[in-house]
Amino acid sequence: DVKVTQSSRYLVKRTGEKVFLECVQDMDHENMFWYRQDPGLGLRLIYFSYDVKMKEKGDIPEGYSVSREKKERFSLILESASTNQTSMYLCASSFVGALSYEQYFGPGTRLTVT
Amino acid sequence: GQQLNQSPQSMFIQEGEDVSMNCTSSSIFNTWLWYKQDPGEGPVLLIALYKAGELTSNGRLTAQFGITRKDSFLNISASIPSDVGIYFCAGPYEGWAGNMLTFGGGTRLMVKP
Repeated sequence: DVKVTQSSRYLVKRTGEKVFLECVQDMDHENMFWYRQDPGLGLRLIYFSYDVKMKEKGDIPEGYSVSREKKERFSLILESASTNQTSMYLCASSFVGALSYEQYFGPGTRLTVT
Repeated sequence: GQQLNQSPQSMFIQEGEDVSMNCTSSSIFNTWLWYKQDPGEGPVLLIALYKAGELTSNGRLTAQFGITRKDSFLNISASIPSDVGIYFCAGPYEGWAGNMLTFGGGTRLMVKP
């Protein structure tokens, strides 16, 4: 089974702090994704990566950056956390190839910025 | 950009009832995916559809890829309390050759024992 893990299930940070969210997958997937999920807004793509050190902006990249130094690990960075970044953050991964649209999600990190 | 419209937004049903939900797109898709998200967890892939008209089952769940390629349907038979959660449809993100997805707003299912 594909396993995607996220470093924390719950996180509380102060405004202005730098926040790191880590995601690790164990299936050698090329693609990795970061989403945020808010009530009434569904899942929105922040960034994705299709290879080590490669990244593309999604729909809402402002206020975020990402890092992919190893294939299995994809980090989301909030450079200076703000209260409007309080949300559920979901990481996902997928193959490149015939089944490449099938994304597998981690359990999520619920981030609260106070 | 493209939008996926899911309906209904929420359902409150009695245990044992059958459930139907659907998803429509403003553009043609070549893939439809259905996910379920349990409270406080990440979405889990239920069914993937790759061909117009395709009907695929996973236990009590059945999903269909609409003939027009602009819609998809998910049915759950004989619902049970553990069916509670949010069901999302998803399809390929328009205008990108890679593997990005766009998601519907979700159908929240509540089951009364």
